[in-house]
Amino acid sequence: NAGVTQTPKFQVLKTGQSMTLQCAQDMNHEYMSWYRQDPGMGLRLIHYSVGAGITDQGEVPNGYNVSRSTTEDFPLRLLSAAPSQTSVYFCASSYDNYNSPLHFGNGTRLTVT
Amino acid sequence: GDSVTQMEGPVTLSEEAFLTINCTYTATGYPSLFWYVQYPGEGLQLLLKATKADDKGSNKGFEATYRKETTSFHLEKGSVQVSDSAVYFCAPDRGSTLGRLYFGRGTQLTVWP
Repeated sequence: NAGVTQTPKFQVLKTGQSMTLQCAQDMNHEYMSWYRQDPGMGLRLIHYSVGAGITDQGEVPNGYNVSRSTTEDFPLRLLSAAPSQTSVYFCASSYDNYNSPLHFGNGTRLTVT
Repeated sequence: GDSVTQMEGPVTLSEEAFLTINCTYTATGYPSLFWYVQYPGEGLQLLLKATKADDKGSNKGFEATYRKETTSFHLEKGSVQVSDSAVYFCAPDRGSTLGRLYFGRGTQLTVWP
């Protein structure tokens, strides 16, 4: 069982570059989300989606875009990378929109120089 | 706004010691409550959950009871092992219209043999 798959595992960008972090799940989950994890800050929600074609902003959406064209995929786009976006990014999905546990990927460690 | 306050870490214990990690939260209504664990280099995994007042979640020797009166969900284990060394996160569920789980800062636990 693959679960939630994130690629790449590591990435280094220069300031101003753009890139897409990929997230795919094979559990037919409706809900998907992106978090960033920074030391001493816990996990903060960037964007989330309750189903294909529907996305919404979390606590820290600035500088990031998402789309949800299929149930399986939920890519996160960095439009113009900044050093403040250096972080570990986690994608998570759940079967429905309340009570069911989130399933996490193994994360993408991003460094912006 | 909604917030989670977790016991400051790091917590260092000897094997077989008793563990308590405190968690209190603010929320609208009575959210489902989760504890997640993160082992080094990995994503978060569900440890246990409780969905209503006085429910006790349990897994792998860990327990937590949903205390509505004190808005708390403290994690306990009677006898920790070296393999329990990880970061632990408390997370209430706001439901999908608000982006579901919001996380505390995490508590680092190290258990020495």
